[in-house]
Amino acid sequence: GAGVSQSPSNKVTEKGKDVELRCDPISGHTALYWYRQSLGQGLEFLIYFQGNSAPDKSGLPSDRFSAERTGGSVSTLTIQRTQQEDSAVYLCASSLRAGNQPQHFGDGTRLSIL
Amino acid sequence: GIQVEQSPPDLILQEGANSTLRCNFSDSVNNLQWFHQNPWGQLINLFYIPSGTKQNGRLSATTVATERYSLLYISSSQTTDSGVYFCAVSRTGNQFYFGTGTSLTVIP
Repeated sequence: GAGVSQSPSNKVTEKGKDVELRCDPISGHTALYWYRQSLGQGLEFLIYFQGNSAPDKSGLPSDRFSAERTGGSVSTLTIQRTQQEDSAVYLCASSLRAGNQPQHFGDGTRLSIL
Repeated sequence: GIQVEQSPPDLILQEGANSTLRCNFSDSVNNLQWFHQNPWGQLINLFYIPSGTKQNGRLSATTVATERYSLLYISSSQTTDSGVYFCAVSRTGNQFYFGTGTSLTVIP
């Protein structure tokens, strides 16, 4: 596609359930980033993928969070045993490569934990 | 991590006015970007500007890397410029640090 695609756009789930969020980056972009934005706040870095290299997981807030990137393209962010504080907008971005390239964002997934 | 401070936190402008937004950061960076988040939450990349000056229409940006700040200039503001402007920096292009943004409202 022309831009970064994220799905679902909205997700409402009960506390304790697992959720999977998907990101399809711009074709040819080797770098992929996940961020979290809580209401009225800036973006918080979660995880970064570059090609087939080991991801930078330094921003993941707990071991309930994990992410995969299959075939260097689509990525899924999984949150296990969701908590109310996980409610936020989860944003994905991609760039042609890491380092000196601009990032392009998807529209995000708004996650609400009841 | 790198501390990123943006100012002012809030700004209200009359349509047609000019403004300057500032981003200060606490460490050397090799990647600095400015984004506009519109009222629908979409984030649009405005500039990739680790140093120097760039212009794109009514917007321009300057980064003085040695002094650890960047400025975003908006001229002849329009109501469509409303939203939140974020500055993001990185040492390596891996982990990015975002400021808390400047919320701009342009009134007709």
